[in-house]
Amino acid sequence: GAVVSQHPSRVICKSGTSVKIECRSLDFQATTMFWYRQFPKQSLMLMATSNEGSKATYEQGVEKDKFLINHASLTLSTLTVTSAHPEDSSFYICSARDHNRGYEKLFFGSGTQLSVL
Amino acid sequence: DQQVKQNSPSLSVQEGRISILNCDYTNSMFDYFLWYKKYPAEGPTFLISISSIKDKNEDGRFTVFLNKSAKHLSLHIVPSQPGDSAVYFCAALTGNQFYFGTGTSLTVIP
Repeated sequence: GAVVSQHPSRVICKSGTSVKIECRSLDFQATTMFWYRQFPKQSLMLMATSNEGSKATYEQGVEKDKFLINHASLTLSTLTVTSAHPEDSSFYICSARDHNRGYEKLFFGSGTQLSVL
Repeated sequence: DQQVKQNSPSLSVQEGRISILNCDYTNSMFDYFLWYKKYPAEGPTFLISISSIKDKNEDGRFTVFLNKSAKHLSLHIVPSQPGDSAVYFCAALTGNQFYFGTGTSLTVIP
């Protein structure tokens, strides 16, 4: 069964609004979660690393003021796309590593398809 | 700079035959390699992995081969089944950082 839950799976919003995406680890504690973005026919691009209790680490070129990440607990990280615009439309995926299952395994959420009108 | 590359964006194979998906990397510091399978509008799911100290790992119909000298990784699926049709990503790990290839879309023809 799914070990990482991501909601919502799909969201359509108007330009200028903010959208929050939740990522939960269901049966393990994740001190670190990762947020990816995928454009059609392209690879998963790491946006940021979410650290529980501290600030997220953003990859080069990712606007931290636009993509707000909060990792308030060991099982929940949220990504808020602020003042969304059509160019923010994309597939967003979160992931978390369960060290108890083998350090190399990264479990992914089911993704969120964001469409900004 | 793409450190992990999958040069074939798509592959079609007849059911029952072997599917071979390839992956090349540039960073010699990668110490773990993984393959993920992804269906449309879903997150990737872990398929199989291999440590850099090995050259082969097998799990049922799936076998991953690693050629460190060539910095090349391949996934063999045999026999291929229609349910294997998906996008396959290879990934390489160093430290806490995963690097993903661009994916290969596999279509298994019944």
